[in-house]
Amino acid sequence: AQSVSQHNHHVILSEAASLELGCNYSYGGTVNLFWYVQYPGQHLQLLLKYFSGDPLVKGIKGFEAEFIKSKFSFNLRKPSVQWSDTAEYFCAVLGMDTGRRALTFGSGTRLQVQP
Amino acid sequence: NAGVTQTPKFRILKIGQSMTLQCTQDMNHNYMYWYRQDPGMGLKLIYYSVGAGITDKGEVPNGYNVSRSTTEDFPLRLELAAPSQTSVYFCASSYSGPSPYEQYFGPGTRLTVT
Repeated sequence: AQSVSQHNHHVILSEAASLELGCNYSYGGTVNLFWYVQYPGQHLQLLLKYFSGDPLVKGIKGFEAEFIKSKFSFNLRKPSVQWSDTAEYFCAVLGMDTGRRALTFGSGTRLQVQP
Repeated sequence: NAGVTQTPKFRILKIGQSMTLQCTQDMNHNYMYWYRQDPGMGLKLIYYSVGAGITDKGEVPNGYNVSRSTTEDFPLRLELAAPSQTSVYFCASSYSGPSPYEQYFGPGTRLTVT
C-alpha cells in the first residue's frame, strides 16, 4: 500500500523567507506526485504535479518541487513567500501500478506567513 | 463550465438520521471520488467510481454508500449518522487518460453530527 508523510505539521514564516515543505512517500513502483493547496475556506487546488521527465517541476505562484526517486521525496519549495501563501499544503501520491486511480494524501502542512 | 459542484455546503444531523451529499461534475470525467477531511489527518478516500455503474470502496467506506447512475453525478449516502462522521466531505473527479490523473475538487460539505 502507498502512504505519504509530511513531517512539518505547522510552519510559521515571515514574508520574503524561503520555504521548503517535506514530503516522503512509500511505494515501490511508478508514481505520479502532486502538491495541492487549500486556502482558508476554499477547496483544494492543484499547485503542481510530476509524472515523468524533468524531476524539477514548476507550478503556479512561483512554487516548485523536486522529485528525488532515491529518497522517495517530493519536497515543495518557494524562494520568497508572501502573506497570501498562508494556507494548508497537501502532498499526494498515485501509485501507477495499483489499478486504482485514487490519490493517497499526506496529513498536510499548515503554513502561516506573517507580514 | 462549473467544474465539480457539491450540495449542501453545511449540514447538521442528529445521530441516526440519514442524508445524501450531492456531487456533480460537468467535465465528462469518468473517475469520481469521495474523500473526508478530518483536522490534522489529511484526506481519506471513502469511495470511488471509474464510470457509470461501477463503484468501489476506498480506505474508510464504513457507514457510507454510493451510486453512479450517470457520468455526471456521484451521490454519497449516510444511512445512520454517527458523531464519528462529523467531517468535511470533498468530491473530486479526474480524466481516465494515461496520465497524470490530476483530480479536480469540489468546494466541500461540512457535516456535523450531534
